[in-house]
Amino acid sequence: GAGVSQTPSNKVTEKGKYVELRCDPISGHTALYWYRQSLGQGPEFLIYFQGTGAADDSGLPNDRFFAVRPEGSVSTLKIQRTERGDSAVYLCASSPPGLQSGQFFGPGTRLTVL
Amino acid sequence: AQTVTQSQPEMSVQEAETVTLSCTYDTSESDYYLFWYKQPPSRQMILVIRQEAYKQQNATENRFSVNFQKAAKSFSLKISDSQLGDAAMYFCAYRTPQTGANNLFFGTGTRLTVIP
Repeated sequence: GAGVSQTPSNKVTEKGKYVELRCDPISGHTALYWYRQSLGQGPEFLIYFQGTGAADDSGLPNDRFFAVRPEGSVSTLKIQRTERGDSAVYLCASSPPGLQSGQFFGPGTRLTVL
Repeated sequence: AQTVTQSQPEMSVQEAETVTLSCTYDTSESDYYLFWYKQPPSRQMILVIRQEAYKQQNATENRFSVNFQKAAKSFSLKISDSQLGDAAMYFCAYRTPQTGANNLFFGTGTRLTVIP
């Protein structure tokens, strides 16, 4: 079956602009995660959805970042008033029910803020 | 908070040889999950192997195996018969079993080069 997909693959924007990053999880996966990966680092957790609700948003760095998953499938990460420090690869992952399951990652969106 | 440490920023191995990547972690929990992910230049994180802390037997997936030392909080990855396609960044990750806290904590990664 299809894996996790993310669009766009790359996004270049100017400081202060608004961006939306989209994630399509694997069908049937109830859990969805967003991570941010800066250059030379491992991914860092941003937010976790179980179904439509954000079960844990403790990783969001500030109130410029927001994510939704209105129908329990596709999710959108929204960043307002982008800053140069927001430049990173944003990874989305999904997992089926069951704690023993690993998370399946998408290819990420590389965001560059000029 | 849980921390994951990968002390080897880079490693290299000759094709067909064996290499071991190190990972240590810090936690006060007794039950948890550990993972190794591979990230090639395509950026997609690929699950290599997983280990449940309550299982004493080391996980194995074909050429990949782990050495899980719970008391030492160590979780190393051994790659046997290394292939050119194994070249990538490798990340060790930890996950708590607590409901509602399912996110992964990653180390900083080890870049593996495979020499033909």
